[in-house]
Amino acid sequence: AQSVSQHNHHVILSEAASLELGCNYSYGGTVNLFWYVQYPGQHLQLLLKYFSGDPLVKGIKGFEAEFIKSKFSFNLRKPSVQWSDTAEYFCAVNARRGGGNKLTFGTGTQLKVEL
Amino acid sequence: DGGITQSPKYLFRKEGQNVTLSCEQNLNHDAMYWYRQDPGQGLRLIYYSQIVNDFQKGDIAEGYSVSREKKESFPLTVTSAQKNPTAFYLCASARGDTQYFGPGTRLTVL
Repeated sequence: AQSVSQHNHHVILSEAASLELGCNYSYGGTVNLFWYVQYPGQHLQLLLKYFSGDPLVKGIKGFEAEFIKSKFSFNLRKPSVQWSDTAEYFCAVNARRGGGNKLTFGTGTQLKVEL
Repeated sequence: DGGITQSPKYLFRKEGQNVTLSCEQNLNHDAMYWYRQDPGQGLRLIYYSQIVNDFQKGDIAEGYSVSREKKESFPLTVTSAQKNPTAFYLCASARGDTQYFGPGTRLTVL
């Protein structure tokens, strides 16, 4: 069975600091990878996704993520965070199996950006 | 206005009662999903449906039931057999391999 690990459960940064959130998955086959964000009181929103091609993918609001196949990782980065980036971030993996298109989520990272 | 709607936003029930959570989408997506979100545990898949009149169990289906009689609707029933039903429930629908989420229903069982 596939699994997703997010090692940082709580991260506190000052505005303008750089961000990197770790995500590792375990699955031997081909995967699609996602980062979702949940701002306080809002829907879970798609930040970015990787299906194939360039392993460095860019998403909304200045976020990017790099797929490193050899490390089974898909870390999320942002060079300079803003207070409005305070949210919970979820990494997710999709591996087609048994006819289903199912996402497996990590446990989430709560990011707080201080002014 | 296209999207996924879940109602109600907050729901309170007494222990031992069944309760049905609504999920509707007007995005013309074939696939729909139900997840449960608990603090520190991420999202866990309860049930999913790839097409009308068909659905499969996810990772934590015990104590839950679903139906998919219409493409637009995928209601979830939390039965009295679910041992710990208090949680935040999220519905999603998918275009291709990308899932889009509704606003969620917070269920509290007293």
